Amino acid sequence: DGGITQSPKYLFRKEGQNVTLSCEQNLNHDAMYWYRQDPGQGLRLIYYSQIVNDFQKGDIAEGYSVSREKKESFPLTVTSAQKNPTAFYLCASSPLTGGTQPQHFGDGTRLSIL
Amino acid sequence: AQSVTQPDIHITVSEGASLELRCNYSYGATPYLFWYVQSPGQGLQLLLKYFSGDTLVQGIKGFEAEFKRSQSSFNLRKPSVHWSDAAGYFCAVLSNSGYSTLTFGKGTMLLVSP
Repeated sequence: DGGITQSPKYLFRKEGQNVTLSCEQNLNHDAMYWYRQDPGQGLRLIYYSQIVNDFQKGDIAEGYSVSREKKESFPLTVTSAQKNPTAFYLCASSPLTGGTQPQHFGDGTRLSIL
Repeated sequence: AQSVTQPDIHITVSEGASLELRCNYSYGATPYLFWYVQSPGQGLQLLLKYFSGDTLVQGIKGFEAEFKRSQSSFNLRKPSVHWSDAAGYFCAVLSNSGYSTLTFGKGTMLLVSP
Protein backbone atom coordinates (compact mmCIF):
# COMPACT_ATOMS: atom_id res chain seq x y z
CA ASP A 1 0.00 0.00 0.00
CA GLY A 2 1.17 3.53 -0.74
CA GLY A 3 1.75 5.90 2.10
CA ILE A 4 4.05 8.12 4.11
CA THR A 5 6.57 6.68 6.54
CA GLN A 6 8.05 8.79 9.29
CA SER A 7 10.88 7.57 11.46
CA PRO A 8 11.67 7.28 14.22
CA LYS A 9 8.37 7.38 16.08
CA TYR A 10 10.09 8.77 19.19
CA LEU A 11 13.30 10.79 19.28
CA PHE A 12 15.28 12.38 22.07
CA ARG A 13 17.67 15.27 21.66
CA LYS A 14 20.41 16.48 23.93
CA GLU A 15 21.07 20.17 24.35
CA GLY A 16 23.17 21.57 21.48
CA GLN A 17 22.55 18.57 19.25
CA ASN A 18 21.12 18.48 15.75
CA VAL A 19 18.66 15.68 14.95
CA THR A 20 17.14 14.59 11.67
CA LEU A 21 13.61 13.31 11.20
CA SER A 22 12.97 11.06 8.24
CA CYS A 23 9.98 11.25 5.88
CA GLU A 24 9.56 8.93 2.90
CA GLN A 25 6.56 8.62 0.59
CA ASN A 26 5.75 6.13 -2.15
CA LEU A 27 2.66 7.94 -3.43
CA ASN A 28 4.57 9.60 -6.29
CA HIS A 29 3.49 12.98 -4.92
CA ASP A 30 5.31 16.11 -6.03
CA ALA A 31 4.75 18.23 -2.94
CA MET A 32 5.87 17.48 0.61
CA TYR A 33 5.39 19.38 3.86
CA TRP A 34 6.58 19.48 7.46
CA TYR A 35 4.34 20.60 10.30
CA ARG A 36 4.90 21.08 13.98
CA GLN A 37 2.07 20.34 16.42
CA ASP A 38 1.99 21.63 19.97
CA PRO A 39 -0.88 21.13 22.42
CA GLY A 40 -3.56 23.73 21.80
CA GLN A 41 -1.70 25.17 18.81
CA GLY A 42 -2.93 23.06 15.94
CA LEU A 43 -0.50 22.44 13.08
CA ARG A 44 2.01 25.04 11.96
CA LEU A 45 3.91 24.82 8.68
CA ILE A 46 7.70 24.60 8.95
CA TYR A 47 8.87 23.96 5.37
CA TYR A 48 7.40 22.72 2.13
CA SER A 49 8.70 21.57 -1.23
CA GLN A 50 6.94 21.32 -4.55
CA ILE A 51 9.79 19.88 -6.56
CA VAL A 52 13.12 18.17 -6.10
CA ASN A 53 15.96 20.50 -5.09
CA ASP A 54 13.55 23.31 -4.20
CA PHE A 55 11.82 24.20 -0.94
CA GLN A 56 10.26 27.19 0.79
CA LYS A 57 10.03 28.37 4.38
CA GLY A 58 6.72 28.11 6.13
CA ASP A 59 5.49 30.08 9.10
CA ILE A 60 7.98 28.79 11.68
CA ALA A 61 11.16 27.83 9.78
CA GLU A 62 13.67 29.30 12.23
CA GLY A 63 15.86 26.61 13.78
CA TYR A 64 14.96 24.01 11.15
CA SER A 65 16.46 22.94 7.82
CA VAL A 66 15.35 20.56 5.06
CA SER A 67 16.58 19.00 1.84
CA ARG A 68 14.79 17.49 -1.14
CA GLU A 69 17.32 15.47 -3.11
CA LYS A 70 14.82 12.80 -4.12
CA LYS A 71 11.14 13.05 -4.93
CA GLU A 72 10.19 10.48 -2.30
CA SER A 73 12.25 11.88 0.58
CA PHE A 74 12.03 15.12 2.60
CA PRO A 75 14.11 14.94 5.80
CA LEU A 76 13.82 17.63 8.46
CA THR A 77 16.76 18.63 10.65
CA VAL A 78 16.03 20.24 13.98
CA THR A 79 19.12 22.30 14.74
CA SER A 80 20.52 23.46 18.05
CA ALA A 81 19.21 26.92 17.15
CA GLN A 82 15.67 25.68 17.79
CA LYS A 83 15.37 26.44 21.48
CA ASN A 84 12.05 24.73 22.07
CA PRO A 85 12.02 21.64 19.86
CA THR A 86 9.78 19.44 22.00
CA ALA A 87 6.74 18.78 19.82
CA PHE A 88 4.99 16.31 17.55
CA TYR A 89 6.24 16.58 13.96
CA LEU A 90 4.08 15.58 11.03
CA CYS A 91 5.10 15.09 7.44
CA ALA A 92 2.59 15.28 4.59
CA SER A 93 2.52 15.02 0.82
CA SER A 94 0.14 15.87 -2.00
CA PRO A 95 -0.01 15.77 -5.78
CA LEU A 96 0.07 19.17 -7.41
CA THR A 97 -2.49 18.57 -10.13
CA GLY A 98 -4.93 21.44 -9.96
CA GLY A 99 -3.39 22.57 -6.67
CA THR A 100 -6.45 21.36 -4.78
CA GLN A 101 -5.56 17.84 -3.84
CA PRO A 102 -5.73 17.02 -0.13
CA GLN A 103 -2.60 16.31 1.82
CA HIS A 104 -1.81 12.83 3.10
CA PHE A 105 -0.10 12.57 6.47
CA GLY A 106 2.40 10.25 8.11
CA ASP A 107 1.99 9.03 11.69
CA GLY A 108 4.40 11.58 13.13
CA THR A 109 7.60 11.74 15.18
CA ARG A 110 7.53 12.87 18.78
CA LEU A 111 10.68 14.77 19.70
CA SER A 112 11.68 15.38 23.30
CA ILE A 113 14.61 17.06 25.02
CA LEU A 114 16.77 15.07 27.41
CA ALA B 1 -3.78 36.19 5.00
CA GLN B 2 -6.25 33.43 5.51
CA SER B 3 -7.09 32.10 8.97
CA VAL B 4 -9.24 29.41 10.55
CA THR B 5 -10.96 29.60 13.94
CA GLN B 6 -12.29 26.63 15.85
CA PRO B 7 -13.89 28.20 18.90
CA ASP B 8 -14.33 25.03 20.93
CA ILE B 9 -11.16 23.48 22.36
CA HIS B 10 -13.01 20.53 23.90
CA ILE B 11 -16.48 19.12 23.37
CA THR B 12 -18.09 16.22 25.22
CA VAL B 13 -20.96 14.37 23.60
CA SER B 14 -22.90 11.35 24.79
CA GLU B 15 -22.66 8.27 22.63
CA GLY B 16 -25.57 8.23 20.19
CA ALA B 17 -26.12 11.97 20.39
CA SER B 18 -25.65 14.34 17.47
CA LEU B 19 -22.49 16.35 16.98
CA GLU B 20 -21.64 19.72 15.46
CA LEU B 21 -18.10 21.11 15.44
CA ARG B 22 -17.70 24.73 14.48
CA CYS B 23 -15.23 26.19 12.01
CA ASN B 24 -15.01 29.79 10.82
CA TYR B 25 -12.60 30.96 8.16
CA SER B 26 -11.21 34.22 6.90
CA TYR B 27 -10.46 34.21 3.20
CA GLY B 28 -10.73 36.72 0.38
CA ALA B 29 -12.22 34.50 -2.31
CA THR B 30 -14.01 31.18 -2.53
CA PRO B 31 -12.16 28.96 -0.09
CA TYR B 32 -11.11 25.36 -0.44
CA LEU B 33 -11.93 23.81 2.95
CA PHE B 34 -11.05 20.54 4.64
CA TRP B 35 -11.82 18.63 7.80
CA TYR B 36 -9.24 16.19 9.18
CA VAL B 37 -9.42 13.80 12.14
CA GLN B 38 -6.50 12.80 14.33
CA SER B 39 -6.47 9.85 16.74
CA PRO B 40 -4.06 10.19 19.69
CA GLY B 41 -0.42 9.88 18.62
CA GLN B 42 -1.35 9.47 14.97
CA GLY B 43 -1.30 11.48 11.81
CA LEU B 44 -4.27 13.23 10.24
CA GLN B 45 -6.89 11.54 8.10
CA LEU B 46 -9.05 13.47 5.64
CA LEU B 47 -12.76 13.38 6.50
CA LEU B 48 -14.12 15.58 3.72
CA LYS B 49 -13.41 18.57 1.53
CA TYR B 50 -15.27 21.44 -0.11
CA PHE B 51 -14.14 23.07 -3.32
CA SER B 52 -17.30 24.26 -5.07
CA GLY B 53 -20.83 23.23 -5.96
CA ASP B 54 -23.18 21.67 -3.44
CA THR B 55 -22.65 23.34 -0.10
CA LEU B 56 -23.43 20.16 1.85
CA VAL B 57 -20.58 17.69 1.47
CA GLN B 58 -20.48 14.10 2.62
CA GLY B 59 -17.40 12.48 4.03
CA ILE B 60 -16.19 9.24 5.47
CA LYS B 61 -17.36 7.67 8.75
CA GLY B 62 -20.83 9.26 8.44
CA PHE B 63 -19.63 12.87 8.72
CA GLU B 64 -20.94 15.79 6.70
CA ALA B 65 -20.16 19.49 6.59
CA GLU B 66 -22.04 22.52 5.34
CA PHE B 67 -20.39 25.51 3.71
CA LYS B 68 -22.14 28.81 4.51
CA ARG B 69 -20.55 31.73 2.74
CA SER B 70 -22.71 34.32 4.52
CA GLN B 71 -21.43 33.11 7.88
CA SER B 72 -17.89 32.21 6.75
CA SER B 73 -18.47 28.82 8.32
CA PHE B 74 -17.81 25.19 7.50
CA ASN B 75 -19.27 23.23 10.41
CA LEU B 76 -18.84 19.49 10.74
CA ARG B 77 -21.79 17.32 11.75
CA LYS B 78 -22.64 13.74 12.56
CA PRO B 79 -26.16 12.56 13.48
CA SER B 80 -25.10 9.86 15.95
CA VAL B 81 -21.69 9.74 17.60
CA HIS B 82 -19.88 6.49 18.33
CA TRP B 83 -17.23 6.02 21.03
CA SER B 84 -14.65 5.48 18.28
CA ASP B 85 -15.22 9.07 17.09
CA ALA B 86 -13.32 10.41 20.10
CA ALA B 87 -10.37 12.22 18.53
CA GLY B 88 -9.03 15.63 17.53
CA TYR B 89 -10.75 17.38 14.64
CA PHE B 90 -9.04 20.01 12.54
CA CYS B 91 -10.51 22.41 10.02
CA ALA B 92 -8.18 23.79 7.34
CA VAL B 93 -8.25 26.18 4.39
CA LEU B 94 -6.04 25.98 1.31
CA SER B 95 -3.65 28.88 0.88
CA ASN B 96 -4.36 31.57 -1.69
CA SER B 97 -0.64 32.09 -2.26
CA GLY B 98 -0.49 29.81 -5.28
CA TYR B 99 1.10 26.99 -3.31
CA SER B 100 -0.82 23.99 -2.00
CA THR B 101 -0.25 24.80 1.67
CA LEU B 102 -2.90 24.54 4.36
CA THR B 103 -3.74 26.84 7.24
CA PHE B 104 -5.17 24.86 10.15
CA GLY B 105 -7.39 25.81 13.04
CA LYS B 106 -6.21 24.88 16.52
CA GLY B 107 -8.50 21.90 16.61
CA THR B 108 -11.37 20.60 18.72
CA MET B 109 -10.92 17.57 20.94
CA LEU B 110 -14.05 15.41 20.99
CA LEU B 111 -14.74 13.33 24.06
CA VAL B 112 -17.52 10.74 23.94
CA SER B 113 -19.24 9.77 27.17
CA PRO B 114 -21.06 6.46 27.59
